[in-house]
Amino acid sequence: ETGVTQSPTHLIKTRGQQVTLRCSSQSGHNTVSWYQQALGQGPQFIFQYYREEENGRGNFPPRFSGLQFPNYSSELNVNALELDDSALYLCASSEGLAGYDTQYFGPGTRLTVL
Amino acid sequence: DQQVKQNSPSLSVQEGRISILNCDYTNSMFDYFLWYKKYPAEGPTFLISISSIKDKNEDGRFTVFLNKSAKHLSLHIVPSQPGDSAVYFCAASRPGNTGKLIFGQGTTLQVKP
Repeated sequence: ETGVTQSPTHLIKTRGQQVTLRCSSQSGHNTVSWYQQALGQGPQFIFQYYREEENGRGNFPPRFSGLQFPNYSSELNVNALELDDSALYLCASSEGLAGYDTQYFGPGTRLTVL
Repeated sequence: DQQVKQNSPSLSVQEGRISILNCDYTNSMFDYFLWYKKYPAEGPTFLISISSIKDKNEDGRFTVFLNKSAKHLSLHIVPSQPGDSAVYFCAASRPGNTGKLIFGQGTTLQVKP
């Protein structure tokens, strides 16, 4: 059991709104990464946080932002929602920053933008 | 630019037979490769990995082969079981880009009893 949880499970928003998705990592995992998975595609890296600092970002605009808290929880915020933001959002936690550290994924939040 | 590609969207095999899932990549800087399995309504689960210094890694019924010259890796499942039916993603990472995994599009495996 990975111990990574995400909330909410599903979310429906309208274009232009803002959304906050939450993730709770395994205790002791200092790294959290967020991915967007569009229908029929593999997960795409959004950004990563290590000890509450952003540590790398994929090809996503600044309206995608994040926070990581000392209690192993984290947030993904998306402003000015667009229809194309409809996707499954996954968070993954790992112990450290080594590329060999296994990333444990949560079940995801399904976001629908109308 | 799709750096990791899984060209077969789906694969169907009979229980007890071998399943072979393929993955190609374009970036020669990748040095670590992983396979994840995903069931509906669950997050991806780590299955097996291989470093670029190896050409094979085995874990029970699962074996991953890496052919660096061809920029190709494959996952073999022997024998296949109905519980293996899931979407399989290959992923890659490169030095200095710790934790940033580049995923393929996924292959849906169906194992028929």
